Amino acid sequence: ETGVTQSPTHLIKTRGQQVTLRCSSQSGHNTVSWYQQALGQGPQFIFQYYREEENGRGNFPPRFSGLQFPNYSSELNVNALELDDSALYLCASSLEAAGGVETQYFGPGTRLLVL
Amino acid sequence: DAKTTQPTSMDCAEGRAANLPCNHSTISGNEYVYWYRQIHSQGPQYIIHGLKNNETNEMASLIITEDRKSSTLILPHATLRDTAVYYCIVRVRRWDDKIIFGKGTRLHILP
Repeated sequence: ETGVTQSPTHLIKTRGQQVTLRCSSQSGHNTVSWYQQALGQGPQFIFQYYREEENGRGNFPPRFSGLQFPNYSSELNVNALELDDSALYLCASSLEAAGGVETQYFGPGTRLLVL
Repeated sequence: DAKTTQPTSMDCAEGRAANLPCNHSTISGNEYVYWYRQIHSQGPQYIIHGLKNNETNEMASLIITEDRKSSTLILPHATLRDTAVYYCIVRVRRWDDKIIFGKGTRLHILP
């Protein structure tokens, strides 16, 4: 167990809808990264949040957006869902500090199915 | 793109050592080798990382060649629960560096 939790575990949406996924980081970790994993592929970096600001983004369109809250928990929002958005969405937390833990620890993921 | 090359799949008998190779011939001096594994439909699990010296923890050992162009992850006594996809990743040791995953090696532990 990494201490990173995600909700919900599974979700079914229809094309065009919007979805919000949630992540609680490991205690003390102030950085959250989000990844998308399509079936049979490795996870792909979406973006990262640090101190409530986006701190780096992968090759994903603007309809993928996020938030980080003062308690370091985070949300991933996807608007105008497309069939190809069906995937396992993973969040990972890490700590920014002098000599801090750089390793990213992953949550169990949210499996999204878009019909 | 991922900076590593791994075999697509491997088999190992239960109780034997599983040796998973990884090539990273373009690794830079400040980049570490990280290993994660992903058991079916779960989030990736951190295993171990190293820079140039061999490393060992309660899960595995990491052997890095002297020229750092390749490495081997060793699971000393594989069990059925070690069946997973193993990812070898090269990255700088920074809190904000994103992880670039390849396709990994699918390890099957045979009873």
